[in-house]
Amino acid sequence: NAGVMQNPRHLVRRRGQEARLRCSPMKGHSHVYWYRQLPEEGLKFMVYLQKENIIDESGMPKERFSAEFPKEGPSILRIQQVVRGDSAAYFCASSRNLQNEQYFGPGTRLTVT
Amino acid sequence: GQQLNQSPQSMFIQEGEDVSMNCTSSSIFNTWLWYKQDPGEGPVLLIALYKAGELTSNGRLTAQFGITRKDSFLNISASIPSDVGIYFCAGQQNKNSGGSNYKLTFGKGTLLTVNP
Repeated sequence: NAGVMQNPRHLVRRRGQEARLRCSPMKGHSHVYWYRQLPEEGLKFMVYLQKENIIDESGMPKERFSAEFPKEGPSILRIQQVVRGDSAAYFCASSRNLQNEQYFGPGTRLTVT
Repeated sequence: GQQLNQSPQSMFIQEGEDVSMNCTSSSIFNTWLWYKQDPGEGPVLLIALYKAGELTSNGRLTAQFGITRKDSFLNISASIPSDVGIYFCAGQQNKNSGGSNYKLTFGKGTLLTVNP
């Protein structure tokens, strides 16, 4: 299966802990996007990355959230000191280039207790 | 930020019926996409539309890019039980329209239930 891979699929964290979400794009795709989905809502853009570069992080909270897409390995979305309001489904998408469609992974469901 | 108004919020239909849902915006979009999301899964791309007035089919699905570039609709013909899920419209604006070429703006979804 050459689709977008995300892990873990489910993640439970206590308030104050750190959450690390991983995304491996489709083969041949070098553009990665992270979106957040709250219950009964559409997806909201967070950040757009290319290899080793953050292109647009305008949708990501300025505190506690960070993202990276290293030269080797998956893209990581990191949430420090999680709070209950961070509970959501986090989706990663990838595209071959800017003009191509974005394909989504299965998501990571984060629950903060 | 940009908003897409998607309707209806939910639909309950009988197997075999046709379905129509739509998305409208006060802003121009240059690309319209329709996704389906099953419970616990990510959105799956159904149809992508790139030109105003474009009408595109994918099996029993047909979608159109509105001529004003501010709306799109999705039709599903002869529905079957596996059509159940949440359907999302998403739009992209290019830089000339004040967008980014890549950022997707999503509607809130239409929940479709098909009774066998």
